[in-house]
Amino acid sequence: AQTVTQSQPEMSVQEAETVTLSCTYDTSESDYYLFWYKQPPSRQMILVIRQEAYKQQNATENRFSVNFQKAAKSFSLKISDSQLGDAAMYFCAYTRAGTASKLTFGTGTRLQVTL
Amino acid sequence: DAMVIQNPRYQVTQFGKPVTLSCSQTLNHNVMYWYQQKSSQAPKLLFHYYDKDFNNEADTPDNFQSRRPNTSFCFLDIRSPGLGDAAMYLCATSRGQGGQETQYFGPGTRLLVL
Repeated sequence: AQTVTQSQPEMSVQEAETVTLSCTYDTSESDYYLFWYKQPPSRQMILVIRQEAYKQQNATENRFSVNFQKAAKSFSLKISDSQLGDAAMYFCAYTRAGTASKLTFGTGTRLQVTL
Repeated sequence: DAMVIQNPRYQVTQFGKPVTLSCSQTLNHNVMYWYQQKSSQAPKLLFHYYDKDFNNEADTPDNFQSRRPNTSFCFLDIRSPGLGDAAMYLCATSRGQGGQETQYFGPGTRLLVL
């Protein structure tokens, strides 16, 4: 069975600084997708960034980028120029390619952004 | 704006009293999902519909059922809620079933069982 592990329950970053959230996963599949979802307090979860396992290039979305290390099964999220609106719970998630997109989530990292 | 709507946002029920949570979507997506998220835990998929085809996760308790009367609506029925069923219930949709599909989430319904 696939598992996703986020070892940092909480992180804190100052506004305008950079922070990296860690995620590791375990799978025997070679083709899969990895996601970072953001869940702000009392608001719905939204997709931050997606990585396709067969693509070597790391995905980037504006201030958000990932460091995808397939051999190490590691998928970290880097947030640059952190803003107050980045404060949220961040979930790393995995799904196998080619089948129903059933997400397996990690337990989340709560990110605080301070002035 | 197109979105995923969950009602109510907070639901209180009594131990053993059936409860229904609802989800609607204006995205016209084929797939709808229900997740259970307990405090400080990862969201866990309960089941999903691809159109009218129902797909139950192997470890979803029999106490949980779902209905999808049309494309827009999906319901989660808990037949006899126990204290352990208190959680946030998240509804999500996606256009298709492929792994590359983005899931769009509703704000969730927080269920309290007394």
